[in-house]
Amino acid sequence: GENVEQHPSTLSVQEGDSAVIKCTYSDSASNYFPWYKQELGKRPQLIIDIRSNVGEKKDQRIAVTLNKTAKHFSLHITETQPEDSAVYFCAASIGLTGGGNKLTFGTGTQLKVEL
Amino acid sequence: NAGVTQTPKFQVLKTGQSMTLQCAQDMNHNSMYWYRQDPGMGLRLIYYSASEGTTDKGEVPNGYNVSRLNKREFSLRLESAAPSQTSVYFCASAWGMADYEQYFGPGTRLTVT
Repeated sequence: GENVEQHPSTLSVQEGDSAVIKCTYSDSASNYFPWYKQELGKRPQLIIDIRSNVGEKKDQRIAVTLNKTAKHFSLHITETQPEDSAVYFCAASIGLTGGGNKLTFGTGTQLKVEL
Repeated sequence: NAGVTQTPKFQVLKTGQSMTLQCAQDMNHNSMYWYRQDPGMGLRLIYYSASEGTTDKGEVPNGYNVSRLNKREFSLRLESAAPSQTSVYFCASAWGMADYEQYFGPGTRLTVT
């Protein structure tokens, strides 16, 4: 089955610095890689995603890069702000023949942005 | 649009008791999922329903059963609760293959004593 490893488990940065979270996956058939943000006590919410036909995607201060050959993808947050403090989960998806998709999640990164 | 809703928000059970967690979505999504979230372990898939009328096991199905009651509703049942099932449970839904984003419900915090 699919295995997704995520590093680091905790990350502390100063406000305004950049943060990078890395994930590796095991199944070369994976075709979709979303990132979810979960604030304390809240539900996970999608912040950015990338499909296997694209190497990089950017949305304002966040970007995701994908290296299919090496089977790893990364989340980059620039100019971090206190409201970026949360747990971030990467995931890898395999499409199902019956419809829908199955996500395997990484174990999460607790990002803390310090003033 | 309420999105994905779950009931109850909190529940305490004694070992051996049973209960059903309810989930409903109003986005006309085809696929629905149940996850459990434990500290340091991310979100693990318990069961999923790719479309109305079908259900399949995920990574950690033991001790659980599901019912896809109709397109909107997907319930998770614990027949005989165990302390190892203490967790936060999230339901999620998504479109079919054309759109992969999963929308999560607010979660149910379950404690089994």
